[in-house]
Amino acid sequence: GQQLNQSPQSMFIQEGEDVSMNCTSSSIFNTWLWYKQDPGEGPVLLIALYKAGELTSNGRLTAQFGITRKDSFLNISASIPSDVGIYFCAGQSPGNKLTFGGGTRVLVKP
Amino acid sequence: DGGITQSPKYLFRKEGQNVTLSCEQNLNHDAMYWYRQDPGQGLRLIYYSQIVNDFQKGDIAEGYSVSREKKESFPLTVTSAQKNPTAFYLCASSVTVSSYEQYFGPGTRLTVT
Repeated sequence: GQQLNQSPQSMFIQEGEDVSMNCTSSSIFNTWLWYKQDPGEGPVLLIALYKAGELTSNGRLTAQFGITRKDSFLNISASIPSDVGIYFCAGQSPGNKLTFGGGTRVLVKP
Repeated sequence: DGGITQSPKYLFRKEGQNVTLSCEQNLNHDAMYWYRQDPGQGLRLIYYSQIVNDFQKGDIAEGYSVSREKKESFPLTVTSAQKNPTAFYLCASSVTVSSYEQYFGPGTRLTVT
């Protein structure tokens, strides 16, 4: 089946920092989605990408659909404490169900 | 306000009992999904439904059952045959099964002892 590798598994942020995470796939996808999940809540859709090379922003979040169609990146600029949570990538190709990555847990540096 | 509701937020059951988790949406979406999330893990698909009176097994359907008698509702029953039922269960919907953007409910945390 399709597999998504998301990295890093966890990261610490300091307020004001820019952070990045990525997802890579063994298969080609036509769509990449990025979600954020707060503790004990359902994931919320942040950004949807539909074309290879596409770069899309949502406030301080920017995501890119990799040119090979096998990867995607999410950047958070000027991080703030409420950016803490779990970020999931998800990819889909025609005829297949949405596949989720394992998540990147974003934590605040003590 | 359109959205997906799941109830209850927390559910406790004794081993050997079946339990049904509720999922309702007023988004007029055709497709609905159930996922299971274990601590520190991603989402795994249990069942999905493309339309009323239709549903398909996902990757981990064993020990679960669903029904889709109404467009708005997609209840999930966790049966006593499910070996490790304690988990966080998430319901989602999309306009159609070909619409890639899925929207999630707030989840139900099931604890079986």
